[in-house]
Amino acid sequence: GAVVSQHPSWVICKSGTSVKIECRSLDFQATTMFWYRQFPKQSLMLMATSNEGSKATYEQGVEKDKFLINHASLTLSTLTVTSAHPEDSSFYICSALFANTGELFFGEGSRLTVL
Amino acid sequence: DAKTTQPPSMDCAEGRAANLPCNHSTISGNEYVYWYRQIHSQGPQYIIHGLKNNETNEMASLIITEDRKSSTLILPHATLRDTAVYYCIVRALQGAQKLVFGQGTRLTINP
Repeated sequence: GAVVSQHPSWVICKSGTSVKIECRSLDFQATTMFWYRQFPKQSLMLMATSNEGSKATYEQGVEKDKFLINHASLTLSTLTVTSAHPEDSSFYICSALFANTGELFFGEGSRLTVL
Repeated sequence: DAKTTQPPSMDCAEGRAANLPCNHSTISGNEYVYWYRQIHSQGPQYIIHGLKNNETNEMASLIITEDRKSSTLILPHATLRDTAVYYCIVRALQGAQKLVFGQGTRLTINP
């Protein structure tokens, strides 16, 4: 199956700094990607839909100025957590839409810890 | 909001069939039933999906009731590696095409 890669797999940062997480579709082009957040023992929560060449669509309650999404190419979407705080510590997961079949492929996730 | 209801947890003996139920009574005519699973600290893994007919692949079988208001995922011979959280999701292949996850079923396979 298609491969979606996230980088970094894990990151530790200090409170107040910004962290960028990359999501790449390795063997197909994805005009649409999705970003999720998952807290321990909870389900995945959809944060936003990332559209290549246009602004992301954020779910209700997700701060767009806090979680900056850029989808500048057909194989790369980035999520930047700005001015991170300990409550932003979470598992962030992306998925990429394979438009031909409608299948969604998930990355391995990126664990963010804010000290 | 998720449009499915699943039991929070289930246990199954290794080697036996694991049957995971899901209710989706408000499913629309153009929505498919998808199943994903998530092993601890990994991204979700696709298992199977269907519209109204029963489906089978190398991982599992999906049985959808005739009225499409519920379905069952069957793992025919569960192994310890099948221990995971299983998510049943309804999704349209038009429009936003996003996946909205519910709480899922935590399946534990016991030796």
